[in-house]
Amino acid sequence: AQKVTQAQTEISVVEKEDVTLDCVYETRDTTYYLFWYKQPPSGELVFLIRRNSFDEQNEISGRYSWNFQKSTSSFNFTITASQVVDSAVYFCALRRAGANNLFFGTGTRLTVIP
Amino acid sequence: GAVVSQHPSRVICKSGTSVKIECRSLDFQATTMFWYRQFPKQSLMLMATSNEGSKATYEQGVEKDKFLINHASLTLSTLTVTSAHPEDSSFYICSARPPWESNQPQHFGDGTRLSIL
Repeated sequence: AQKVTQAQTEISVVEKEDVTLDCVYETRDTTYYLFWYKQPPSGELVFLIRRNSFDEQNEISGRYSWNFQKSTSSFNFTITASQVVDSAVYFCALRRAGANNLFFGTGTRLTVIP
Repeated sequence: GAVVSQHPSRVICKSGTSVKIECRSLDFQATTMFWYRQFPKQSLMLMATSNEGSKATYEQGVEKDKFLINHASLTLSTLTVTSAHPEDSSFYICSARPPWESNQPQHFGDGTRLSIL
């Protein structure tokens, strides 16, 4: 069975602080895909990143960075120099190879205080 | 890039009303679309997989007769909440993925916020 755990329900940081959102997953598959989505108050889901299970390279995109560790089944997301516009709910998700549907974590609500 | 359009974005109606939500793939054909439901401050839960030309596949605990899904064309799936009641109030969001993007993420619609009075 697949499971995605985001233990942090809510996080508040002051603007310009760095923040890391944790994601731990469970799967018996050897090939799978991991995702992060951002859901602002308006509700739409904004795709941030996809990572294949066989690619453990960390990735940086502007103020965003992701740390994929297969040994600990984690796919953590760090925002550096946070901004108020980063305030949103962030979801980590997993998809099995060959499947279409996503298994979502429960989300982490990030509030960046000006 | 591929776009998924969902309509309407918001519905407020009386209890007992049936509500239809449309999900369209605008520039690609989608043989499969997905319907998710999100209660306030909770995660997205897959309700059903919509299959073009055949019956939808529902997740455990989702009432087929309550949530009717029709996928009559390769670009349109509809979710009808029949005889809606206040407990059906939720955020419904659909997704699809172009067939040429087998390893890429799904594209989500902007969601429909349903409020039953």
